[in-house]
Amino acid sequence: SYVLTQPPSVSVAPGQTARITCGGNNIGSKSVHWYQQKPGQAPVLVVYDDSDRPSGIPERFSGSNSGNTATLTISRVEAGDEADYYCQVWDSRVVFGGGTKLTVL
Amino acid sequence: EVQLVESGGGLVQPGRSLRLSCAASGFTFDDYAMHWVRQAPGKGLEWVSGISWNSGSIGYADSVKGRFTISRDNAKNSLYLQMNSLRAEDTALYYCAKTVDLSHHPFDYWGQGTLVTVSS
Repeated sequence: SYVLTQPPSVSVAPGQTARITCGGNNIGSKSVHWYQQKPGQAPVLVVYDDSDRPSGIPERFSGSNSGNTATLTISRVEAGDEADYYCQVWDSRVVFGGGTKLTVL
Repeated sequence: EVQLVESGGGLVQPGRSLRLSCAASGFTFDDYAMHWVRQAPGKGLEWVSGISWNSGSIGYADSVKGRFTISRDNAKNSLYLQMNSLRAEDTALYYCAKTVDLSHHPFDYWGQGTLVTVSS
């Protein structure tokens, strides 16, 4: 079965850029989606189809996907961005990465 | 406004059954595929099952295949998950979520979840 690998944690200072990776075999050939989940809340879609943003999501959130790695980039990180982030693809079924906890220092 | 409201969770003994429901509103329910995604306490997201708009295509995670059954009633704008032979490892918050279809599209809306606890 297809496996997505994310780092368990990423830390960044406010105003800096956070990059969260999602590794998978030839993931560049798939559409990758990213979800943000804050404590006690349901996940929220922040990037879909590698690099598109739903309405209402700040431009600070962007994505890329190539080769064996997809990346969620959060520019000018704010305290309110602290959350768990999950990548997701379709490989004959839905596959989620293990999640990355973003800490804003 | 899109709303997905799950219900039916609770405390259940191992080996017993439980049926979850998800009431949908704010969109044309039978235009979309629907899914169940769960999250064990302190753990990540795990896809459980998905069903196409007309119930013609259904998928399950290996961990629940043969024990869980997903269904929908488009006339009632409702999604269901019949869970049989429950195990301790099925303990989780169960979310329903919508997508365009059963393929590469993202989950654009999620409910708030219903908690299932399997324990004696």
